Amino acid sequence: QVQLVQSGVEVKKPGASVKVSCKASGYTFIYHGISWVRQAPGQGLEWMGWISAYNGNTNYAQKFQGRVTMTTDTSTNTAYMELRSLRSDDTAVYYCAKGSSVHLWGSCRLDYWGQGTLVTVPS
Amino acid sequence: QSALTQPASVSGSPGQSITISCTGTSSDVGSYNLVSWYQQHPGKAPKLMIYEGSKRPSGVSNRFSGSKSGNTASLTISGLQAEDEADYHCCSFAGNSTIFGGGTKLTVL
Repeated sequence: QVQLVQSGVEVKKPGASVKVSCKASGYTFIYHGISWVRQAPGQGLEWMGWISAYNGNTNYAQKFQGRVTMTTDTSTNTAYMELRSLRSDDTAVYYCAKGSSVHLWGSCRLDYWGQGTLVTVPS
Repeated sequence: QSALTQPASVSGSPGQSITISCTGTSSDVGSYNLVSWYQQHPGKAPKLMIYEGSKRPSGVSNRFSGSKSGNTASLTISGLQAEDEADYHCCSFAGNSTIFGGGTKLTVL
């Protein structure tokens, strides 16, 4: 069965970086993309960006451009999301989710999600 | 790009039907038939309920249906059940990005 297993809880100081991993199994990794979505406490979902596992092409939400990098390792079927220059308002649960397609237009149809990774940035 | 607009909360009694709206613009909801809806219970990851505006993934109850008119997409849940109480989020492709709504809390009275 399809599974996305994310790395564990992170506590970071303001200004630091965090790198969250997302290991996929149960499907052909390179035939799909991965969206990263975050959810601040008590808030809605926020799309951060997308990476095609086929060719590594990325699309980042304008809000995060310059501060986020998404990568994949096709040898281990793992996606990574690194967020730099952390602030207290980056405190959130970060999710990876499998897209329906290798193309960007599939970045909203997310059929499997990781369990989420809590990143806390104390003020 | 601004988030799609959803009502903060809706409520209904068991057996009733409710509709949640999701209003975007001609650059996102209005331009693409690529709206999805997600159900999220507290402390859990979101679950895909509707994709491409009106299609249901395998295993999702046919009590859930989606539609679109102009720049507004809608999710209708018929025959409300206690287990439907959750947060619901809409999402739309927007050409070179994807955007979510602010989420709607559904309370089953």
